[in-house]
Amino acid sequence: AQKVTQAQTEISVVEKEDVTLDCVYETRDTTYYLFWYKQPPSGELVFLIRRNSFDEQNEISGRYSWNFQKSTSSFNFTITASQVVDSAVYFCALAGSYQLTFGKGTKLSVIP
Amino acid sequence: GAGVSQSPRYKVAKRGQDVALRCDPISGHVSLFWYQQALGQGPEFLTYFQNEAQLDKSGLPSDRFFAERPEGSVSTLKIQRTQQEDSAVYLCASSHGTSGSWDETQYFGPGTRLLVL
Repeated sequence: AQKVTQAQTEISVVEKEDVTLDCVYETRDTTYYLFWYKQPPSGELVFLIRRNSFDEQNEISGRYSWNFQKSTSSFNFTITASQVVDSAVYFCALAGSYQLTFGKGTKLSVIP
Repeated sequence: GAGVSQSPRYKVAKRGQDVALRCDPISGHVSLFWYQQALGQGPEFLTYFQNEAQLDKSGLPSDRFFAERPEGSVSTLKIQRTQQEDSAVYLCASSHGTSGSWDETQYFGPGTRLLVL
């Protein structure tokens, strides 16, 4: 069985602060993919990143960065210099097959 | 259009009514998925199509739920005799997904918010 845990239910930060969203996963698959999606108030899930289980290289995209550590089964997401537009619910997801298993999400509020 | 579209965006139904939710995937995408998202939860898998073939319907919560994709593009999720516990957001996603590959990114539509009174 696959499981994704996002222990932080809600986080509030002041604009320009850095924030890290945690994601821990469980799987017995040796090959799998990890994803982060953003869900703004409009409701649409916006794809942010996909990583495969063989690539532990950290990735940076603008103000976003991801830290994948297979040893701790974690795939954490950091937003640097947060902005009000970053306010949304963020979901971590795991795919060992075509099904995506999602965590419960972390609601991020960025206060001006 | 460029993305996945869903209609209606909002649906209010009386308990016992049948509803039909439509999904238009990204043009050319072979794979199509339906997910159910309860309030405050992450999406949960319902069913998966590759072209017109429904390869997995293990997530459908009961036999009142039925999905089809007859021509391999547009899909409809039908819920018969709706119950209050069916209230949720129903999300559709598509991926390029050729040759049954499962590792491709799924792109989601805006969802249909269903409220059963």
